[in-house]
Amino acid sequence: GQSLEQPSEVTAVEGAIVQINCTYQTSGFYGLSWYQQHDGGAPTFLSYNALDGLEETGRFSSFLSRSDSYGYLLLQELQMKDSASYFCAGPRDTGFQKLVFGTGTRLLVSP
Amino acid sequence: DTAVSQTPKYLVTQMGNDKSIKCEQNLGHDTMYWYKQDSKKFLKIMFSYNNKELIINETVPNRFSPKSPDKAHLNLHINSLELGDSAVYFCASSQGTGSGYTFGSGTRLTVV
Repeated sequence: GQSLEQPSEVTAVEGAIVQINCTYQTSGFYGLSWYQQHDGGAPTFLSYNALDGLEETGRFSSFLSRSDSYGYLLLQELQMKDSASYFCAGPRDTGFQKLVFGTGTRLLVSP
Repeated sequence: DTAVSQTPKYLVTQMGNDKSIKCEQNLGHDTMYWYKQDSKKFLKIMFSYNNKELIINETVPNRFSPKSPDKAHLNLHINSLELGDSAVYFCASSQGTGSGYTFGSGTRLTVV
């Protein structure tokens, strides 16, 4: 299939670092994106890795290893507002016209 | 200004009815989408339009008919609504690059 698997839930405390993993079940994705979605809200774009390696954007970093069909989102200095669902997503074409979303990870940050 | 706006935000209707959801984007993007998010928060693509042309129909029942009068608008009409259609429907747009999709705020459809 064309699935991207993620852990269903991750918990952490404020100030900590958390890693959310994403594994592919098949090849054919042109890189990996990450989206954040707060309860009742819309998904918002966080990052995109076209190539292998680490991309850093402020407190968030995203990593991709295409040979391992694996990526992760790293959140540092966690804040309560980071409590949300996080989705990895793989574009199935170079025009990004079909984005397949992962199963989603609910992150709960406690004081 | 709202980048991707969809209306209505909430829709409660009876089985068998027909309903429409409207979507507009002011970002100048070429591609627009409809996604369905179920109760388990799984996001699944339904349709993809590029410059008013349908490019992806992800095996959606033909009770769902998208219409794009111009590249800034993509509406979704649903006939003969069923209980299983209850979900949140998101409209989105993109420029076909790695800069990501911009989603609307969603329409929560409840079929009773």
